[in-house]
Amino acid sequence: KQEVTQIPAALSVPEGENLVLNCSFTDSAIYNLQWFRQDPGKGLTSLLLIQSSQREQTSGRLNASLDKSSGRSTLYIAASQPGDSATYLCAVIPDGSEKLVFGKGMKLTVNP
Amino acid sequence: GAGVSQSPSNKVTEKGKDVELRCDPISGHTALYWYRQRLGQGLEFLIYFQGNSAPDKSGLPSDRFSAERTGESVSTLTIQRTQQEDSAVYLCASSRVPATYEQYFGPGTRLTVT
Repeated sequence: KQEVTQIPAALSVPEGENLVLNCSFTDSAIYNLQWFRQDPGKGLTSLLLIQSSQREQTSGRLNASLDKSSGRSTLYIAASQPGDSATYLCAVIPDGSEKLVFGKGMKLTVNP
Repeated sequence: GAGVSQSPSNKVTEKGKDVELRCDPISGHTALYWYRQRLGQGLEFLIYFQGNSAPDKSGLPSDRFSAERTGESVSTLTIQRTQQEDSAVYLCASSRVPATYEQYFGPGTRLTVT
């Protein structure tokens, strides 16, 4: 059974820091991996999707990498801002499945 | 274009009552998913619809939960005889082609069972 882990559960940093958010999954047989952002009381906003054949994706200040064989992904946030404060969720779609398996998320607070 | 919409945004109900939650997917998205997010827990898959195929109900936690979708349009999730442990945010998502494209999520329905 696929399990997704995000450690730490929470992180508080001063504005301007470059951040690395970690995600690990137990079964390397995945179709894709998706990073989401969730603001309090809101739904999920898709940030980046990496297909299993890809190594990384970039969008603005965000860069996500995927090492499928080791079961790891990282989300890099450059020059963090208070507006980046949210919960970040990592999720995978296992091979042969259509449903996302989520980690429990990491709550990020960027202090001005 | 319009995103995934869900209604109601909040629902408070008494234990034992039935509730119906609605999801409008993005137009043209053939796949629709329901997930549940309980306090302090990760998101759990509930049910998946793809076109006219039989739905994948493997995530439904009990027979009190059911869902319907007509074609590639609106879906409703029904919870009968609600229990306090059903309190959660219920999220709907849609995608153009399952397991290939990104899943786009609605804002969710917060269900509180008193």
